[in-house]
Parts: sequence; structure tokens; C-alpha cells
Amino acid sequence: NAGVTQTPKFQVLKTGQSMTLQCAQDMNHEYMSWYRQDPGMGLRLIHYSVGAGITDQGEVPNGYNVSRSTTEDFPLRLLSAAPSQTSVYFCASGGTGRSGANVLTFGAGSRLTVL
Amino acid sequence: GDSVTQMEGPVTLSEEAFLTINCTYTATGYPSLFWYVQYPGEGLQLLLKATKADDKGSNKGFEATYRKETTSFHLEKGSVQVSDSAVYFCALLNTNAGKSTFGDGTTLTVKP
Repeated sequence: NAGVTQTPKFQVLKTGQSMTLQCAQDMNHEYMSWYRQDPGMGLRLIHYSVGAGITDQGEVPNGYNVSRSTTEDFPLRLLSAAPSQTSVYFCASGGTGRSGANVLTFGAGSRLTVL
Repeated sequence: GDSVTQMEGPVTLSEEAFLTINCTYTATGYPSLFWYVQYPGEGLQLLLKATKADDKGSNKGFEATYRKETTSFHLEKGSVQVSDSAVYFCALLNTNAGKSTFGDGTTLTVKP
């Protein structure tokens, strides 16, 4: 099983462009989330979802949209990219899967650069 | 809101030295506590966890005890190896809110 799969691994955008970071999990987890990781700032929660059709904002939601039409997928959309969105993005899912209840399983990350 | 505070890094140790990384938290209710580890170029992976007061999580020689009275979850290892070099994150899960909150991470470098 793949666990949590993120694509793309690397992306360069110009200011104002839009794009979608994909996230898929095969563990039937109800909970999915997106974090961004910046030097010296740890992990900050962008958006999360506790099940299909349900999403909520995290700590830093501005400039990002999400949707959860299926249990497996949780894409993150950048509507109009800005240099401040240059970061490494991690998708994580959680539930009573292989790792046990309440444990997050992370994808390998997507490194985004906005010029 | 919930918060996690980790000791600032980076931390540099010699092989076989004793490791402590401090972690304290603020949360409502009774959160679950975790340590995650991130190796270079990879995502985070679970190192250990504790779900209630006085629980001890352990894995790969690392240990941490859930101390409700001091709201702490310090990570310890008796003898570190070069392969333990990584970034370590303390985290809590607020089961009421369904969200995890992470500390800023502590970079550990172990020299031979």
C-alpha cells in the first residue's frame, strides 16, 4: 500500500498562477490535512477535513482552497500564487489505520517555489 | 488555543551521548501527545506516542512520559547514534477539535 501520496514533488510557479497540489491516501482515513513547513516556523495547519464533504480552516488558510469529495482525495488549490507561498507542503491523514488511532501519516512533501 | 513549545535547537551531540529534547504544551481537555521525526528530504513519521497521563511511549531507544502535572512530554535517549540525526517534532492531538498542533521542531546532529 502506498500510504499518503503527494504530487508533484517539486513545482515552480510565477506570481499570479494557480495550481493544485494533489493528495491521496489508501488507508480509509477519515481525517486529512494540509500543512506548510517553513524554516524556523515548524508545521502550520492550512486546512483539514474530518470526512468527505467536510472541510475547515486551520491556522493559515488565506490563499488556499480545499475540497473533499471522496474519502481518498484531498487536493489543495492555490488560487493566485504569491512569493509568500513558497514553502514545503505536507499532506497528512489520520485514523484507525495501520499506524493506530489518532496517528498522522504524512506524505513525502511538495516543494513549491513562487517567483 | 492549543500550543506546543519545544526547546530551541539546533542540538549537536557526540555519538553515545545522552539526549533530552524538552517539550511542553497548552491544551484544553486531555490531548494525546506525540513525537514525530523527519529525516532529510522526507515527510514526518511517528516516533512514539502517549494517550493519557503517566503513559510512557517508547521506540528505537527513545522514550517520553506524559506528565499532566507539568504539561510536558520530554524526549530522551540514553545513547544517540549518527543515524539519529534528524528533526524532531513534538505534537498534540486535541481529540475534541480533531486537529494536531506541532512544535517548531528541534534539529539534532550526532557526530561520530
